[in-house]
Amino acid sequence: EADIYQTPRYLVIGTGKKITLECSQTMGHDKMYWYQQDPGMELHLIHYSYGVNSTEKGDLSSESTVSRIRTEHFPLTLESARPSHTSQYLCASSDIRYGYTFGSGTRLTVV
Amino acid sequence: EDQVTQSPEALRLQEGESSSLNCSYTVSGLRGLFWYRQDPGKGPEFLFTLYSAGEEKEKERLKATLTKKESFLHITAPKPEDSATYLCAVQASGKNDMRFGAGTRLTVKP
Repeated sequence: EADIYQTPRYLVIGTGKKITLECSQTMGHDKMYWYQQDPGMELHLIHYSYGVNSTEKGDLSSESTVSRIRTEHFPLTLESARPSHTSQYLCASSDIRYGYTFGSGTRLTVV
Repeated sequence: EDQVTQSPEALRLQEGESSSLNCSYTVSGLRGLFWYRQDPGKGPEFLFTLYSAGEEKEKERLKATLTKKESFLHITAPKPEDSATYLCAVQASGKNDMRFGAGTRLTVKP
């Protein structure tokens, strides 16, 4: 079944640690996105990619980086986690007809 | 700048009590308006895409409509399992990303 997978689902980590949030999709979509979502707030675009070796920053500067070496894989890396990074991170890929397909998210807590 | 405003922020209904959720938007050329359902602890799930004013889409107890300035998500005879946050998003012409609203948190009591 075509889908989009995010790991880990939950992560608690100390300040200053480097972390990578994984995102993979099996639908062959070229376009992929990372959004940040806080409770009761709108989703904010962090990064997006239109294909292999193509990445752009979104509206929200989150001090994170992404890479797109393979079509199906779009990991997000925080070089030095801070408490302000505590949030839910959602990965998505898109098809023009059906909008985005989202993963289940990673809930990150930085202590 | 593209903007999406959803109202109300929260809505509590009795089972069977029909109502509507509003999504007001401003966008420089609408490519598509999307409705999603999000359950706690999960990613948003696609419901509908609307492309032009006057268009309507239906799925079970949900019906989405679109005008040039807003979209409505009508819920007919809701059930407790319809409880969720409903998100609206717009995609502008020439862009591939979307602008999301903050959502309406719907609670349906039995």
